[in-house]
Amino acid sequence: QPALTQPASVSGSPGQSITISCTGSSNDVGGYKFVSWFQQHPGKVPKLIIYDVYIRPSGVSNRFSGSKSGNTASLTISGLQAEDEADYYCNSFTSSYTHVFGTGTKVTVL
Amino acid sequence: EEQLVESGGGLVQPGGSLRLSCAASGFPFSTSWMHWVRQGPGKGLVWLSRINGDGTMTNYADSVEGRVIVSRDNAENTVYLEVNSLRAEDTAVYYCIRDLREFNYWGQGTLVTVSS
Repeated sequence: QPALTQPASVSGSPGQSITISCTGSSNDVGGYKFVSWFQQHPGKVPKLIIYDVYIRPSGVSNRFSGSKSGNTASLTISGLQAEDEADYYCNSFTSSYTHVFGTGTKVTVL
Repeated sequence: EEQLVESGGGLVQPGGSLRLSCAASGFPFSTSWMHWVRQGPGKGLVWLSRINGDGTMTNYADSVEGRVIVSRDNAENTVYLEVNSLRAEDTAVYYCIRDLREFNYWGQGTLVTVSS
């Protein structure tokens, strides 16, 4: 099961919006609503910020939003803030009853 | 309070084996899917395995199937990951995780170093 494809890096200025893509296939992202997104700051444990494509857990800022079209899921961060600088990973359930993570995206706030 | 505490990591020689443990508390363990994920130094997250609440269903990533066994003891609120035929590329922090959706919670991880 190959990793889902994410851009290696995305950057933006404070206040801007950025979008991170997560591309898979009909056997994972495209076939199920079970796409999650995780944020990981250096040296920290990953934190769930989106599950089931677009649902935000309690306590997660509404500046984070998720969507999906075909085999590609997307995470949008609006009103970019310095604290959003981190690594972001998508995760999807697969047709093999396994899960797979994306390759990870480093977000830099300029 | 929900808690996951991994143990069992350490320095292992190539070809060796390890059994990682994850002690859970503060949530309905026996009805929770549990996952293992690892992260090599400076690398991304890699999903390894999952087990359902009563231990009757297990799934593995292709990259480790045949070398890894996940199990659980609901009487002890503990999930295990046995990793065999260890090689250098298995060096990583291994995380125990409750659910990957709504009830997601991560342990702090245990470091496994494979080296001679």
